[in-house]
Amino acid sequence: EAGVTQFPSHSVIEKGQTVTLRCDPISGHDNLYWYRRVMGKEIKFLLHFVKESKQDESGMPNNRFLAERTGGTYSTLKVQPAELEDSGVYFCASSQGLDRVTYEQYFGPGTRLTVT
Amino acid sequence: EDKVVQSPLSLVVHEGDTVTLNCSYEVTNFRSLLWYKQEKKAPTFLFMLTSSGIEKKSGRLSSILDKKELSSILNITATQTGDSAIYLCAVDTGTASKLTFGTGTRLQVTL
Repeated sequence: EAGVTQFPSHSVIEKGQTVTLRCDPISGHDNLYWYRRVMGKEIKFLLHFVKESKQDESGMPNNRFLAERTGGTYSTLKVQPAELEDSGVYFCASSQGLDRVTYEQYFGPGTRLTVT
Repeated sequence: EDKVVQSPLSLVVHEGDTVTLNCSYEVTNFRSLLWYKQEKKAPTFLFMLTSSGIEKKSGRLSSILDKKELSSILNITATQTGDSAIYLCAVDTGTASKLTFGTGTRLQVTL
């Protein structure tokens, strides 16, 4: 079974440019999460999709970040325009299940974003 | 604000040693505690703990949760160089199942 995949693995852009990160969750997983780790800090939650709907986007830093999950499959996270403080590693995770039971989240390898 | 604290931050041991990693949490709503191992890229899932006092075991790794003390430990016996990694502790706070992470413990196992 393929794991969570993310593309690209590394992106270097200039301040003010736009970048789109992609995440393909494990097939059949309804829950998809985005997290971010900035240098020296812990991994922090950004948002959660259940199928194609945003369940919780309380961790999104500001309106320069836009996440979508087309048809409840893959998800994209767009940063526009990028700022220096957006640099970090963006992780995607997915888990199965829609009920109240907790399911473990499986993580992708992350996209390292560097804004110069 | 929900908080997860791991200790130590970093640890260097010799192959064959036994190590204990600590995780404590302070959250408004607790559903489960998870341990992950991160070597190069993706954090890989190790354990999920929901009940106090029940040990989860996988090979040389084991973990237990103490809900009274709001903490968990991860034990690794007979360490090997392949155990070198960052070990992450995270708590599912039940709000949309988002995870709150600690900063991790960096373990280095030397020959």
